[in-house]
Amino acid sequence: GIQVEQSPPDLILQEGANSTLRCNFSDSVNNLQWFHQNPWGQLINLFYIPSGTKQNGRLSATTVATERYSLLYISSSQTTDSGVYFCAVENTGTASKLTFGTGTRLQVTL
Amino acid sequence: DTAVSQTPKYLVTQMGNDKSIKCEQNLGHDTMYWYKQDSKKFLKIMFSYNNKELIINETVPNRFSPKSPDKAHLNLHINSLELGDSAVYFCASSLMGQGLHFGNGTRLTVT
Repeated sequence: GIQVEQSPPDLILQEGANSTLRCNFSDSVNNLQWFHQNPWGQLINLFYIPSGTKQNGRLSATTVATERYSLLYISSSQTTDSGVYFCAVENTGTASKLTFGTGTRLQVTL
Repeated sequence: DTAVSQTPKYLVTQMGNDKSIKCEQNLGHDTMYWYKQDSKKFLKIMFSYNNKELIINETVPNRFSPKSPDKAHLNLHINSLELGDSAVYFCASSLMGQGLHFGNGTRLTVT
């Protein structure tokens, strides 16, 4: 099956700093999503981004499907950004089956 | 509130028991899912239903039986619970090929 690798596995930032999270995948995809799991365990969909660039407030994401990677940018980080960020992909030809990466654990400190 | 809601939030039970988790979505989505998150936070799909029909069954033990009475509901019944079933179970929904919306999870502890 498709492999999804996220880096870095752990990240500690001071409030106000910027960061880039990376997701590499091993095969062609027709669906890629980013999620944030907050410290209370809730999973929030951040972006549906099989290709191109999207922005939502301080967060933006870019997927370069031909090169099999996606990036999530967090600018001016806040303590509420803490949690685990997951990338998930749907391999072309496997409709409705999202495969998740192992996540990047982000801690934003004051 | 438009959402994916699942109950119960916590479930503590003994080995060998049978339990159910319920899930409902009012987002008008046509596809519903069950995911399992283990102690290392790894998320893995278990089942997917599209318009009440099973479309994904990811080699889950047959002690796990999903049931979808209509496209807004997807319940999960687990027979003969084992220690290794302890995990957080998430229900989710989407329109085919669009963003996934998760419920808040059910933390199952088998003792």
